[in-house]
Amino acid sequence: DTGVSQNPRHKITKRGQNVTFRCDPISEHNRLYWYRQTLGQGPEFLTYFQNEAQLEKSRLLSDRFSAERPKGSFSTLEIQRTEQGDSAMYLCASSLRTGGPKDEKLFFGSGTQLSVL
Amino acid sequence: SQQGEEDPQALSIQEGENATMNCSYKTSINNLQWYRQNSGRGLVHLILIRSNEREKHSGRLRVTLDTSKKSSSLLITASRAADTASYFCAGGNYGGATNKLIFGTGTLLAVQP
Repeated sequence: DTGVSQNPRHKITKRGQNVTFRCDPISEHNRLYWYRQTLGQGPEFLTYFQNEAQLEKSRLLSDRFSAERPKGSFSTLEIQRTEQGDSAMYLCASSLRTGGPKDEKLFFGSGTQLSVL
Repeated sequence: SQQGEEDPQALSIQEGENATMNCSYKTSINNLQWYRQNSGRGLVHLILIRSNEREKHSGRLRVTLDTSKKSSSLLITASRAADTASYFCAGGNYGGATNKLIFGTGTLLAVQP
């Protein structure tokens, strides 16, 4: 399977615990995005990487959230001291930006569904 | 924050009928994209229209873009039960410090067999 892979698919945790999600993008893609989606809403942008550099972060990404993309390959998203409001689907997407942005489209993984009890 | 809103929020049609979804967005865009999402799954890219284009076709899909009204529409012709999903428009906002897609709230389409 050469698509975007996310692990785990589901995560149930207790409030206050730390969780980490992993995303493996399509191998030749240089951009990687994290989005969060709650029930009945569209995905909301969290952050994105160009290779290993994190270039933009949303104000939704509080100090409890941190994302990394070491060596420009896979990425991890960590949430510390989880709160019930963090319950959502966390989506990862990758893209290949070769020139201008006008034709850039995203390839999404199946997401990690987080439930904070 | 969401880019804009989609209309209707939910749509139920019979197989073989056409489905039209509308999207309004707030900021300037470089392109407008439509994605489909089946329940509990990730999003799948359907079609992209550049800001300097007015209409584009791909198979049973037809998308229009009116930048003066900041609106777009997606038409699915001859719908099938397998088209049942949520559909999201997304504005490509690239320039300066920002480079991202901003998604709308989505239209839930149910195609009855």
